[in-house]
Amino acid sequence: KQEVTQIPAALSVPEGENLVLNCSFTDSAIYNLQWFRQDPGKGLTSLLLIQSSQREQTSGRLNASLDKSSGRSTLYIAASQPGDSATYLCAVMNNAGNMLTFGGGTRLMVKP
Amino acid sequence: DGGITQSPKYLFRKEGQNVTLSCEQNLNHDAMYWYRQDPGQGLRLIYYSQIVNDFQKGDIAEGYSVSREKKESFPLTVTSAQKNPTAFYLCASKQGAFNSHTEAFFGQGTRLTVV
Repeated sequence: KQEVTQIPAALSVPEGENLVLNCSFTDSAIYNLQWFRQDPGKGLTSLLLIQSSQREQTSGRLNASLDKSSGRSTLYIAASQPGDSATYLCAVMNNAGNMLTFGGGTRLMVKP
Repeated sequence: DGGITQSPKYLFRKEGQNVTLSCEQNLNHDAMYWYRQDPGQGLRLIYYSQIVNDFQKGDIAEGYSVSREKKESFPLTVTSAQKNPTAFYLCASKQGAFNSHTEAFFGQGTRLTVV
C-alpha cells in the first residue's frame, strides 16, 4: 500500500527566505505527483502536477522536483511571503490513474 | 464560473442519524472523489467514481454510501454505522477517468459535527 510522508510537519520562516518542503512515497510506481495548498478551513488548491516521466515543474516562485526512483519530491518556494502561509500537501496518483494518496501536509508560516 | 460546489458548509448530526453531503461540479469531469480529513492529518479516500453509475470503495468506506446517477453529482451519505463521523469532508473531481495527467480540483469542504 502506498504511503506518503511529508517532513517537516510544520515550518516557520521569516519573510524573504527560500525554503524547501519534502515529500516521500514508498511505492515508486506512480503515474504523477501533485502539490496542493490548503488554507485553514478551506478546500485544496492545485499548485503543480509532475508527470512520472518529468523531473520538475515550475510556476512562478514555485518549483517542484520529482525523483521517482528514490521516491522523493520537493517543493521549492522562492522569496517567501506572508501570503504563502498555509498547509502544503503532496499527493501521488497510482499507475491505474484512479487514486490519489496524500501525505499529512506541512504547515508553513511565513512571518513578516 | 466552473467549479465544484459542496453544501452545506457546516452540518450537525445527531447520534444515529444519516446525513447526506452534496457535491456538484460543472467542469464536465468524469471522475469524482470523496475524502475525509481529520485535524492535523492528510486526506483519506472514502469513495471514488470514474463514470456514471459506477463507484468504488476507497480506504475508509465503512459507514458511508454514495451514488453517481448523474455526471455532475456525487452525493455522500454518512450513515449511523459510521462511529466517528466528525471530520472535514472534501469532494474532488478530475477530467479523464483513467491514465490522464490532469489535475484534481477540490470543493471548499463540508465540516460535519456530531452533537
